[in-house]
Amino acid sequence: GDSVTQMEGPVTLSEEAFLTINCTYTATGYPSLFWYVQYPGEGLQLLLKATKADDKGSNKGFEATYRKETTSFHLEKGSVQVSDSAVYFCALSDSNTGNQFYFGTGTSLTVIP
Amino acid sequence: GAGVSQSPRYKVAKRGQDVALRCDPISGHVSLFWYQQALGQGPEFLTYFQNEAQLDKSGLPSDRFFAERPEGSVSTLKIQRTQQEDSAVYLCASSLVAYSGANVLTFGAGSRLTVL
Repeated sequence: GDSVTQMEGPVTLSEEAFLTINCTYTATGYPSLFWYVQYPGEGLQLLLKATKADDKGSNKGFEATYRKETTSFHLEKGSVQVSDSAVYFCALSDSNTGNQFYFGTGTSLTVIP
Repeated sequence: GAGVSQSPRYKVAKRGQDVALRCDPISGHVSLFWYQQALGQGPEFLTYFQNEAQLDKSGLPSDRFFAERPEGSVSTLKIQRTQQEDSAVYLCASSLVAYSGANVLTFGAGSRLTVL
């Protein structure tokens, strides 16, 4: 069945460091891929998405490229800020397998000044 | 409203009690999802509504879990005879259109259920 595997945390970085959070997926069809972010005390918010192979999603300095050949959707940011501290979830949605999103377990990021 | 609203935000129940969790989606949103998020885990799908129709309830873990959306707007997730393993955050999400695979979901802040 469909699934998402993402890098385990927690991750602690200094401000302005480079961030990569790995995400790989398994899907039977042609999924759409997402990164959601959860700030403390808040609901999950869409960070970025890509709906087909080679698409790049980007938002707030974060980027992720849909790589079908490696079944990956790694999240990157060139220079993190303290305000980026949150939990990041990789997710996929595959209309071939029903009405549901599959989420990874989440990666907690803490950015220290 | 401006966002997805869930209530109560926190609920403590004694084992065996029934609980009801409410979700007010964004006005006009067709799709509504319920997810269960255990501590340290990602959200797990419970059920999906398109308007008032419950099209998928394959994620409900047992027949103690029941969800409804009678008028196609507000939804209630009911858990009967709660067990300790039901302790989790219950997330509601809505989407403007019918599910298509590329939908963007707007999540509520969740209802944290603790069963003693």
